[in-house]
Amino acid sequence: SAVISQKPSRDICQRGTSLTIQCQVDSQVTMMFWYRQQPGQSLTLIATANQGSEATYESGFVIDKFPISRPNLTFSTLTVSNMSPEDSSIYLCSVRIGGIHEQYFGPGTRLTVT
Amino acid sequence: GDSVTQMEGPVTLSEEAFLTINCTYTATGYPSLFWYVQYPGEGLQLLLKATKADDKGSNKGFEATYRKETTSFHLEKGSVQVSDSAVYFCALSSLNTNAGKSTFGDGTTLTVKP
Repeated sequence: SAVISQKPSRDICQRGTSLTIQCQVDSQVTMMFWYRQQPGQSLTLIATANQGSEATYESGFVIDKFPISRPNLTFSTLTVSNMSPEDSSIYLCSVRIGGIHEQYFGPGTRLTVT
Repeated sequence: GDSVTQMEGPVTLSEEAFLTINCTYTATGYPSLFWYVQYPGEGLQLLLKATKADDKGSNKGFEATYRKETTSFHLEKGSVQVSDSAVYFCALSSLNTNAGKSTFGDGTTLTVKP
């Protein structure tokens, strides 16, 4: 299994600013994922971040808006840039360990943009 | 591509009632199937899984059987408790397809009343 922490747990930000969310895992993992979850809705995958390669973004998400860093096997950051109220959401970090199929999730970062 | 369809919610039950949340899937190959649970204010956590046809996953009184012939993975619990109130997500993944990404259903909100 894996224990994942995220910082910050929540934040209220002003329109036009940027927020960087940190994801720390207690073990080395190959695959890391960043999701967005609107209140009462399912998960939307933003990007997959594998160590040593550029993040792969899903349709509708671009690197300029959601830059991701993956400097090592236990850490990643997601930045939400030039925020608007539409970016208000819960952002979840998730990992998969080796050949195990299930994913482990962090507690999420609740972002409100005013 | 892969897809997961689960029963629409919300579902409201009285304590000790029987629970079924339906989940059907479409996938190429032989995916693993999962149920995740998300308690209020938390990230998702794995509830149970099944990796091949006819496998039964079970945990905390919940069960689900991998039915290849009906492409289903319905979640059941014989007697729900107030503490089971949460959002339940059905999901599938295959390391060999879809770049190892998981596909999630839309989630079903369960409320159990005393």
